[in-house]
Amino acid sequence: AQKVTQAQTEISVVEKEDVTLDCVYETRDTTYYLFWYKQPPSGELVFLIRRNSFDEQNEISGRYSWNFQKSTSSFNFTITASQVVDSAVYFCALTPGGGSNYKLTFGKGTLLTVNP
Amino acid sequence: DTGVSQNPRHKITKRGQNVTFRCDPISEHNRLYWYRQTLGQGPEFLTYFQNEAQLEKSRLLSDRFSAERPKGSFSTLEIQRTEQGDSAMYLCASSLGIEFWETQYFGPGTRLLVL
Repeated sequence: AQKVTQAQTEISVVEKEDVTLDCVYETRDTTYYLFWYKQPPSGELVFLIRRNSFDEQNEISGRYSWNFQKSTSSFNFTITASQVVDSAVYFCALTPGGGSNYKLTFGKGTLLTVNP
Repeated sequence: DTGVSQNPRHKITKRGQNVTFRCDPISEHNRLYWYRQTLGQGPEFLTYFQNEAQLEKSRLLSDRFSAERPKGSFSTLEIQRTEQGDSAMYLCASSLGIEFWETQYFGPGTRLLVL
């Protein structure tokens, strides 16, 4: 069975602060894929990043960066210099690399509020 | 707009009524997925199509639920004899259908309220 835990239910920051969203996962698969999605108030899930279990390199995309640590089963997401438009619910998700690997298992999400 | 589209965006119905939702995937995508999201939770997998074939159904999909993708393009999700517990956001996603681990792209969802 797979599980994704996002322990932070809600985070509130002031604009321009840096913020890190935590994601811890459980899986017995040796090959798996991790995702982050953003869900603004409009409801649509917006894809942010996909990483496979063999690639532990951290990734940076503009103000977004991701820290994948297999040793601690974590895939954390940092927003640098947060902006009001970053306010949304952020989901971490996991899918196995074989078998029924079309199912995404999501965490419960972290509601990020960026105040002006 | 070439993203995944869903209609209607909102649906209010009375308990016991039937409802049908439609999903139009990204045009070149062969795989289509349905998820359900309740308040404060992440989306949960319901079912999955590879072209017109429905290959997997979650235990969450009771006998009152049926999904179709008749020509391998758009898909419909019907709920018969709705119950208040069916109130949720129903999300559709699609992916290319080449690799299993490929990214799923989501539509805006249909928010269902059963009174």
